Amino acid sequence: GAGVSQSPSNKVTEKGKDVELRCDPISGHTALYWYRQSLGQGLEFLIYFQGNSAPDKSGLPSDRFSAERTGGSVSTLTIQRTQQEDSAVYLCASSLAGLGRGYADTQYFGPGTRLTVL
Amino acid sequence: GNSVTQMEGPVTLSEEAFLTINCTYTATGYPSLFWYVQYPGEGLQLLLKATKADDKGSNKGFEATYRKETTSFHLEKGSVQVSDSAVYFCALRRGDSSYKLIFGSGTRLLVRP
Repeated sequence: GAGVSQSPSNKVTEKGKDVELRCDPISGHTALYWYRQSLGQGLEFLIYFQGNSAPDKSGLPSDRFSAERTGGSVSTLTIQRTQQEDSAVYLCASSLAGLGRGYADTQYFGPGTRLTVL
Repeated sequence: GNSVTQMEGPVTLSEEAFLTINCTYTATGYPSLFWYVQYPGEGLQLLLKATKADDKGSNKGFEATYRKETTSFHLEKGSVQVSDSAVYFCALRRGDSSYKLIFGSGTRLLVRP
């Protein structure tokens, strides 16, 4: 079946512009996660959705970052007034359920969006 | 706090060599442990996992055993192939119903023919 998909695969933008990154999770997966993979910081958790609500936004690096999820499916990560340090690969993952399903709920990752801020 | 430490790469091996990539962790409670692999140009894929002490995860000839006494989850393969060239990430998920994966820095493996 279809895996997690993300778009665009690559995004080049100028400093100060806003960008939107999209994630389509695996059908039926209620939990959705955003991570960031950068040279300096490795793989970092950003935000977690259970359904349409985000009980944990603790990983968002600044208030320029926001995310939403609609219809319990597609999620959009928005970065406002991008800075060069935002350059990274943004990874989305989904799992059948988040909390309450035990300790082995596997997260499936998408191919990522490579963001370059000039 | 919770953290994962992996051996630095790159690790360069000849085909059919034995592979070990070390991973140790620090965590409260009883975490679940994972190895993810990222092939060139592709996304992260789950390679194997273990959810409690002494569990052995295995897949595609790779194995890792959850060792609570040494807080380790080393990845091993008896005979690597060129197609195993990738970046390998060790990760943990805390055992208190947490969902957040905490990753190590990744180890690049290069297998030469």
